[in-house]
Amino acid sequence: DQQVKQNSPSLSVQEGRISILNCDYTNSMFDYFLWYKKYPAEGPTFLISISSIKDKNEDGRFTVFLNKSAKHLSLHIVPSQPGDSAVYFCAARIDGGGADGLTFGKGTHLIIQP
Amino acid sequence: GAGVSQSPSNKVTEKGKDVELRCDPISGHTALYWYRQSLGQGLEFLIYFQGNSAPDKSGLPSDRFSAERTGGSVSTLTIQRTQQEDSAVYLCASSPRLGNYGYTFGSGTRLTVV
Repeated sequence: DQQVKQNSPSLSVQEGRISILNCDYTNSMFDYFLWYKKYPAEGPTFLISISSIKDKNEDGRFTVFLNKSAKHLSLHIVPSQPGDSAVYFCAARIDGGGADGLTFGKGTHLIIQP
Repeated sequence: GAGVSQSPSNKVTEKGKDVELRCDPISGHTALYWYRQSLGQGLEFLIYFQGNSAPDKSGLPSDRFSAERTGGSVSTLTIQRTQQEDSAVYLCASSPRLGNYGYTFGSGTRLTVV
């Protein structure tokens, strides 16, 4: 079963506009969430994270919002730039989960159009 | 080195053969993780190391998979008697310590079993 879901395989946004990538999760034990960005033929790179005790975290053009009651988080990119075109993965972890690994979604391919 | 290095970058092997994948983490990073990404799927957690020990091997897909880490640095992931379903990109990541989730990923090894 998919505990972290990214329901949009792809998203196309015009340069300069806001990109909103969504992620839903099912496990209420998740307490820390991250977004990774991946270019072709490269490993994912860490972008931004948020703890479950917060509802917003901002870093430059990137903001992550967490809605715990809805088990939903989103990544906002404003303004979108051509270099933002990549696959974005949402990831989550369980406090004291033992495996210490992250559970990833399947990714959303963001395409920024000029 | 400056980043996480994985070798080989590509590997084609015949079904039934054994393969060994190597990961060289960032110097000083004590935590090391292995993930794999099958076609159309998210990243699947396999195993992590804190120093040389791997406390939890339950994420490994089968007993054909094993991993070790020596000297708190280089790790090898070995797949015995490879099967076609083992075809995937195998990603290694490291972080300064366990619990720091801003992983640095390598570029991965693309394994194709024919």
